[in-house]
Amino acid sequence: AQSVTQLGSHVSVSEGALVLLRCNYSSSVPPYLFWYVQYPNQGLQLLLKYTSAATLVKGINGFEAEFKKSETSFHLTKPSAHMSDAAEYFCAVSEWGGGNKLTFGTGTQLKVEL
Amino acid sequence: ETGVTQSPTHLIKTRGQQVTLRCSSQSGHNTVSWYQQALGQGPQFIFQYYREEENGRGNFPPRFSGLQFPNYSSELNVNALELDDSALYLCASSLVRELDYNEQFFGPGTRLTVL
Repeated sequence: AQSVTQLGSHVSVSEGALVLLRCNYSSSVPPYLFWYVQYPNQGLQLLLKYTSAATLVKGINGFEAEFKKSETSFHLTKPSAHMSDAAEYFCAVSEWGGGNKLTFGTGTQLKVEL
Repeated sequence: ETGVTQSPTHLIKTRGQQVTLRCSSQSGHNTVSWYQQALGQGPQFIFQYYREEENGRGNFPPRFSGLQFPNYSSELNVNALELDDSALYLCASSLVRELDYNEQFFGPGTRLTVL
């Protein structure tokens, strides 16, 4: 069985500060890992994905994440937060190709303050 | 290229009623998945359809059922609605090819409220 744990249901940062959203996964086989963003009253948009290539993955809007097998982590970072980054972020794991089911974490609400 | 669309955007039903939600997949995609997102929670996998056949199901009762049509549009049907069925229902489509990574593209969702 696979699962995802997101530490911190709410994270608040100042504009221009580092964003760090934490994700730990559990999977019995090598995983595919994803970060999605959800703006209010909208669906999910893929930020980035890890599919067993490079362990440091760069995504859209300046976000990146590093796959660390030894720590079973896939934390999301952005060097400098922008007001437009305020949204809910979901980490997800899939055990096959992304076409199979995604198992999501409970989400982290990011607040960006002036 | 048209993205994934869902209808209706909002829906209000009462307990015991039945509801049908619709999804139009992205052009060329052959797989559709449905997810339920309760308030304050992450999406939970309901089931997936591949070439009109159910291809995996999450921990949801049989009153949740689906269809995928030859044009790859899809329906999610929920019978005997319960208050806990109130949620955002998300549809995601993908093009599944063997031995290949296949990204899922999400629609904007249907907000279902059960009173």
